[in-house]
Amino acid sequence: GAVVSQHPSWVICKSGTSVKIECRSLDFQATTMFWYRQFPKQSLMLMATSNEGSKATYEQGVEKDKFLINHASLTLSTLTVTSAHPEDSSFYICSARRVGGEFYEQYFGPGTRLTVT
Amino acid sequence: ILNVEQSPQSLHVQEGDSTNFTCSFPSSNFYALHWYRWETAKSPEALFVMTLNGDEKKKGRISATLNTKEGYSYLYIKGSQPEDSATYLCAFMADRGSTLGRLYFGRGTQLTVWP
Repeated sequence: GAVVSQHPSWVICKSGTSVKIECRSLDFQATTMFWYRQFPKQSLMLMATSNEGSKATYEQGVEKDKFLINHASLTLSTLTVTSAHPEDSSFYICSARRVGGEFYEQYFGPGTRLTVT
Repeated sequence: ILNVEQSPQSLHVQEGDSTNFTCSFPSSNFYALHWYRWETAKSPEALFVMTLNGDEKKKGRISATLNTKEGYSYLYIKGSQPEDSATYLCAFMADRGSTLGRLYFGRGTQLTVWP
């Protein structure tokens, strides 16, 4: 149980276009979903936290107008990278906290590799 | 930003060797320490969540210890097997204010076990 999927697993896009990444909890409902980013040889860094039906909370230094997060249901959150640029190329991974689960538990998706050319 | 350090960065061992990794984290505002196992192209898999100083947890050949007062945790693998090859991540969770519930990750230890 507690499976999280992400789609797509990898994407290549041209500079200036927008890309949407989906994060789904397949067998549980998620109160909270988290979006992380990992640059080469760096650690996973939290970008934003989203709760179903409310606005996402962004970490310092993360542009909310560039990284649009929508958490419209208890099983789906989306991250849209708007007007992507090569410096946005990174590995994006989501995690989810289960309704009724332990506060400290997070279940991760497999991630999305974004390359902006 | 809270600093979480893992060492070594990478490790190559022979099948059957035992090995251990270190995670160091802030010794204040501790809530929980997570260990994840992450294979390429898969989701990070939770190994342990530890919340109490002195905690020791075991799952098969893998075990972990926790010292919150000095801010470190060890992960041990006994009799490594090729299928243990993965990146092992630790993540610190703080207990205060705006950082409550956030995970702060180390860069991971990449383990390769040769047959």
